Amino acid sequence: GQNIDQPTEMTATEGAIVQINCTYQTSGFNGLFWYQQHAGEAPTFLSYNVLDGLEEKGRFSSFLSRSKGYSYLLLKELQMKDSASYLCAVRVPGEYGGATNKLIFGTGTLLAVQP
Amino acid sequence: DGGITQSPKYLFRKEGQNVTLSCEQNLNHDAMYWYRQDPGQGLRLIYYSQIVNDFQKGDIAEGYSVSREKKESFPLTVTSAQKNPTAFYLCASSPSPGQGTYEQYFGPGTRLTVT
Repeated sequence: GQNIDQPTEMTATEGAIVQINCTYQTSGFNGLFWYQQHAGEAPTFLSYNVLDGLEEKGRFSSFLSRSKGYSYLLLKELQMKDSASYLCAVRVPGEYGGATNKLIFGTGTLLAVQP
Repeated sequence: DGGITQSPKYLFRKEGQNVTLSCEQNLNHDAMYWYRQDPGQGLRLIYYSQIVNDFQKGDIAEGYSVSREKKESFPLTVTSAQKNPTAFYLCASSPSPGQGTYEQYFGPGTRLTVT
């Protein structure tokens, strides 16, 4: 089966740092994505990890440990506009094992940034 | 500008009627996807297509149908057999594996309400 777990909600303060965790158990793994989604809008791409370690991109960093089935998204210097849902998604093989860009999404973490 | 368009943004239908949601992309992507999102939930895959004239069922394909007659277009029909069709529907596209990036690009979504 496919299972991706994230906390449902988190709250943080403007200017602070927040870490959103994601654990996964999937039949196959070809990489992990983080997307940001504001209410009623389309998800937008934040990061992609396929090898273990930390990927940094401005205020956002993402970490992956394939042996632990674990990733986190780190947001620094939080701003009010960072209030959104953050979706963890795993890229998995196709139905017959072939390479695809098919994604399995977690339920998302709703982050509220307070003044 | 390159991107993905979905129309309309809001759609209202009576129970028992079939309805077709439009998705067009001019990114020259081979693969296209349809997702459904319910309040407070992540994205669930309905159908995906990796190439013209071919598509595969996702996790929740029952009550839906698709076609992929052109590379740019991947319409989704919500049939009367879908028991709970009211949801936010998102279309996405991506390059084929091996063509560079793996991320999916999302359209703005269609919010379907069936009463």
